[in-house]
Amino acid sequence: DTGVSQDPRHKITKRGQNVTFRCDPISEHNRLYWYRQTLGQGPEFLTYFQNEAQLEKSRLLSDRFSAERPKGSFSTLEIQRTEQGDSAMYLCASSLKGQANTEAFFGQGTRLTVV
Amino acid sequence: GNSVTQMEGPVTLSEEAFLTINCTYTATGYPSLFWYVQYPGEGLQLLLKATKADDKGSNKGFEATYRKETTSFHLEKGSVQVSDSAVYFCALSDLNTGFQKLVFGTGTRLLVSP
Repeated sequence: DTGVSQDPRHKITKRGQNVTFRCDPISEHNRLYWYRQTLGQGPEFLTYFQNEAQLEKSRLLSDRFSAERPKGSFSTLEIQRTEQGDSAMYLCASSLKGQANTEAFFGQGTRLTVV
Repeated sequence: GNSVTQMEGPVTLSEEAFLTINCTYTATGYPSLFWYVQYPGEGLQLLLKATKADDKGSNKGFEATYRKETTSFHLEKGSVQVSDSAVYFCALSDLNTGFQKLVFGTGTRLLVSP
């Protein structure tokens, strides 16, 4: 399978704990995106990488959130001191460098539940 | 800022019925427009797209036309199947950003019964 892979698929954590999610993009894709989708809403943009450089971050990404993409391959999204409001589906997508109409391919997401 | 508005669901139809899911947008400039579909338990998949005014995107019997004058991109299908049951998201991408930054609508759930 050469699609976008996310791990874990589900995560339940207690409030105040730290969690880390991983995304493996399609191998030749140099662009990687993180989105967050809460229940009943569409996905919202969080951050964007081109290769290893994080080029844009949404205001939604508070100081408790950090994303990395070492060596321009896989990416991790860490949430520190989780809050109940962080409960959501976290989606990763990747694309080839190109215009803004270039297709982004999405993973199946990591569903986070903070109890 | 940029935004997308979709009709609320669920939309409930019988098999072979005609489908329309309305989508309107607000954007500066001339965005690209997309429909994504999310089947149960799966990730988002691109269904179709249109990159300029009057373009028609089509795939798997679904169609949508980029209407600049009404800022709309309504999704249509002439005859739905049970397997089309899913959540459909309208989205736009602002070319000025230089990358694929998508702004999504809230999604419309489609339920097709036999």
